[in-house]
Amino acid sequence: DAKTTQPPSMDCAEGRAANLPCNHSTISGNEYVYWYRQIHSQGPQYIIHGLKNNETNEMASLIITEDRKSSTLILPHATLRDTAVYYCIVRVVYGGSQGNLIFGKGTKLSVKP
Amino acid sequence: GAVVSQHPSWVICKSGTSVKIECRSLDFQATTMFWYRQFPKQSLMLMATSNEGSKATYEQGVEKDKFLINHASLTLSTLTVTSAHPEDSSFYICSARLRGGEQPQHFGDGTRLSIL
Repeated sequence: DAKTTQPPSMDCAEGRAANLPCNHSTISGNEYVYWYRQIHSQGPQYIIHGLKNNETNEMASLIITEDRKSSTLILPHATLRDTAVYYCIVRVVYGGSQGNLIFGKGTKLSVKP
Repeated sequence: GAVVSQHPSWVICKSGTSVKIECRSLDFQATTMFWYRQFPKQSLMLMATSNEGSKATYEQGVEKDKFLINHASLTLSTLTVTSAHPEDSSFYICSARLRGGEQPQHFGDGTRLSIL
């Protein structure tokens, strides 16, 4: 599975959009991009995933560049409860053989009032 | 939907005892379940992958005789830490994946294990 690079930390003002970048320049055609977050002392929470098209759900939007070498997770209106470590992970998905979720260090997002 | 329940959430026990942690997928069938370990201020580390009805696949450096994994049904996997020692104290987290290639893994809330 391809490696990802994320900034170690970011701050965001409450009510503003939080834009979390992720670089995955070695991503291959059969790898999806997944985003999870982990609030202190809890298990990771699934946020969103995508292959090449932009995706949106009730939690966030995922913007993937056309060359798929980077992506951005957007939390449209950050709240204090969005303070967490956000993980961007790429995973091989094809046929019957699939990669596992391998966690890096993620980005610690601090939402401030 | 896609709820994973993990039990117990917190356990303290004496050195040398064995501890069993259960992981259940409550509203879906999980062909594959995963066990992770997380030390303070570190990221999650994958320990093993288990498929229903077959032996678990352990990551390099994880002792299979110490961390026994059983995945007897499509909704239950257990991790038993045998003869636990203080260095085994950690946050253990399970996850489960629905059938289907791109389906995401869903995680339990973790078990904090403290060995005295």
